[in-house]
Amino acid sequence: GQQVMQIPQYQHVQEGEDFTTYCNSSTTLSNIQWYKQRPGGHPVFLIQLVKSGEVKKQKRLTFQFGEAKKNSSLHITATQTTDVGTYFCAGPFRNQFYFGTGTSLTVIP
Amino acid sequence: DAGVTQSPTHLIKTRGQQVTLRCSPKSGHDTVSWYQQALGQGPQFIFQYYEEEERQRGNFPDRFSGHQFPNYSSELNVNALLLGDSALYLCASSLGGIPEAFFGQGTRLTVV
Repeated sequence: GQQVMQIPQYQHVQEGEDFTTYCNSSTTLSNIQWYKQRPGGHPVFLIQLVKSGEVKKQKRLTFQFGEAKKNSSLHITATQTTDVGTYFCAGPFRNQFYFGTGTSLTVIP
Repeated sequence: DAGVTQSPTHLIKTRGQQVTLRCSPKSGHDTVSWYQQALGQGPQFIFQYYEEEERQRGNFPDRFSGHQFPNYSSELNVNALLLGDSALYLCASSLGGIPEAFFGQGTRLTVV
């Protein structure tokens, strides 16, 4: 069946360091979305990538969609304490939406 | 413009009971999807409703059922609750099956 894996599962960084999470799908995706979920909160949409090799930036966040449309990454430059949370990738497959396993980011002040 | 709203926000039920959770989609959206998110896990797709019918279903038992009303709001029903049903239940809305981007704040269900 369809699987979406993310690594690492957990990441602790000092404030100001960079952070990257990687997302890998077992099947090709038509698009991929990224969400952020703060502790105790609900997933909040960050971005959607559609094209092979697409790169999008939002301030300190850079999102990439792989050439084969089976993997994606989220890179945060110079992390801040407000970046704390779990980052999920998600993509559609056969009319269902599959979320990745998530990467929990802790930022140490 | 209200986003996706869910009620109640928290709920405690006893094993074996039944529960109904409610969701109002974002204005203009006609599709509602339900997810279960266990602690420390990613959301798991339960089912999706469009035009008052269940369009897709994830790997959940028949104890999980739902309904969509003409105003596009939706209910999730879970019968014969098990301790393992304790989770955050999320509702997401979208338009015409476009992959959802709008989630409600969720209902935290605790089964004791």
